[in-house]
Amino acid sequence: GAGVSQTPSNKVTEKGKYVELRCDPISGHTALYWYRQSLGQGPEFLIYFQGTGAADDSGLPNDRFFAVRPEGSVSTLKIQRTERGDSAVYLCASSLNQYTEAFFGQGTRLTVV
Amino acid sequence: SQQGEEDPQALSIQEGENATMNCSYKTSINNLQWYRQNSGRGLVHLILIRSNEREKHSGRLRVTLDTSKKSSSLLITASRAADTASYFCATGSGTYKYIFGTGTRLKVLA
Repeated sequence: GAGVSQTPSNKVTEKGKYVELRCDPISGHTALYWYRQSLGQGPEFLIYFQGTGAADDSGLPNDRFFAVRPEGSVSTLKIQRTERGDSAVYLCASSLNQYTEAFFGQGTRLTVV
Repeated sequence: SQQGEEDPQALSIQEGENATMNCSYKTSINNLQWYRQNSGRGLVHLILIRSNEREKHSGRLRVTLDTSKKSSSLLITASRAADTASYFCATGSGTYKYIFGTGTRLKVLA
């Protein structure tokens, strides 16, 4: 497809479980971002990839959160030992480079019960 | 932490009227982007304006940037019910880390 694709669109998990959220960026985009958005708030930066490497993971809230992008395309955000406070919409975006428009996917709504 | 703050937080207008939203930010930027979000899901990119630009147009959208006042505005002319959404500004300070504001919730009444 032409846009950023995120799967699943919705995920309900029990507290303490492990989840993986997937992002397929636009083909050819080297920059990839993960953001998290809580209800009524703007998106908050989590992590930025340039190619395969995480250039900045300063937004990850704690060590339960981890993200990879092994081949410089698809990225996976991994959350261990989920907590109810992790419930949010997780948004992925990609751009040609760090200076151009960032295009977002539809997000994954994570609910931890 | 938030860089951009949109104003007003909520706006309700009649179809056909113009809607103006403002964004203020705190530190120097390289560019500023405006996004639209429907129903709390994906963000749709509207316009990117660079720090050396003062105004950009795209269809019914007009964005201005005043770096001396650290503010930007988004004008939607001849609004339609389909414009009902939340609008966010996101500032880029020469790095990849775009910082979003809390958004303006626009409601266009038919």
